[in-house]
Amino acid sequence: AQKVTQAQTEISVVEKEDVTLDCVYETRDTTYYLFWYKQPPSGELVFLIRRNSFDEQNEISGRYSWNFQKSTSSFNFTITASQVVDSAVYFCALSEKGGKLIFGQGTELSVKP
Amino acid sequence: GAVVSQHPSWVICKSGTSVKIECRSLDFQATTMFWYRQFPKQSLMLMATSNEGSKATYEQGVEKDKFLINHASLTLSTLTVTSAHPEDSSFYICSASGGRSGLARGGRETQYFGPGTRLLVL
Repeated sequence: AQKVTQAQTEISVVEKEDVTLDCVYETRDTTYYLFWYKQPPSGELVFLIRRNSFDEQNEISGRYSWNFQKSTSSFNFTITASQVVDSAVYFCALSEKGGKLIFGQGTELSVKP
Repeated sequence: GAVVSQHPSWVICKSGTSVKIECRSLDFQATTMFWYRQFPKQSLMLMATSNEGSKATYEQGVEKDKFLINHASLTLSTLTVTSAHPEDSSFYICSASGGRSGLARGGRETQYFGPGTRLLVL
């Protein structure tokens, strides 16, 4: 069965600290996609990144970076020099065949000034 | 690119009434739309998947007669909560995928989400 686990329910950091959000997934498919979404208090899910199973290159976008490791079935997300505006719930998700997303439980990040 | 709108953003209604929620992809053609439900402090729960011009596929445990989904065009899907009751109060979110590659950085497989609709049934 396919599953996504975000073991950290809540994380609280002080502004300018670096923070890593963990994501571990399970799948028997050889072809799959992994995603990260941000859900601020307004409720809308904002797409952050998509990674396919054949591309293990890490990616950096500004203060955001992602570490994809198939050997450990992990797709971790790091925010460098966190800011108050980063406060949100972050969801990791796995895409099944047919496009259905399997979401993790979400990690609520609180960045305090 | 890849903007999805939802209307209305807030609905308060009396028990027994029906509520229609619209989901539109504004700048791309969505071959597939998804409807989710989210309770406070919880993850998203997929309710159904709909492809343009065909019947929606409902997840186990979701009543198809209660939650009517219509995907009449490549840019519009609607969810109708029929005879709503207080237990139907929730945050409903739609998403759309299938945009041509290059239109949005996420590609065809990425789901783009609407802003959600908060439903309160009294």
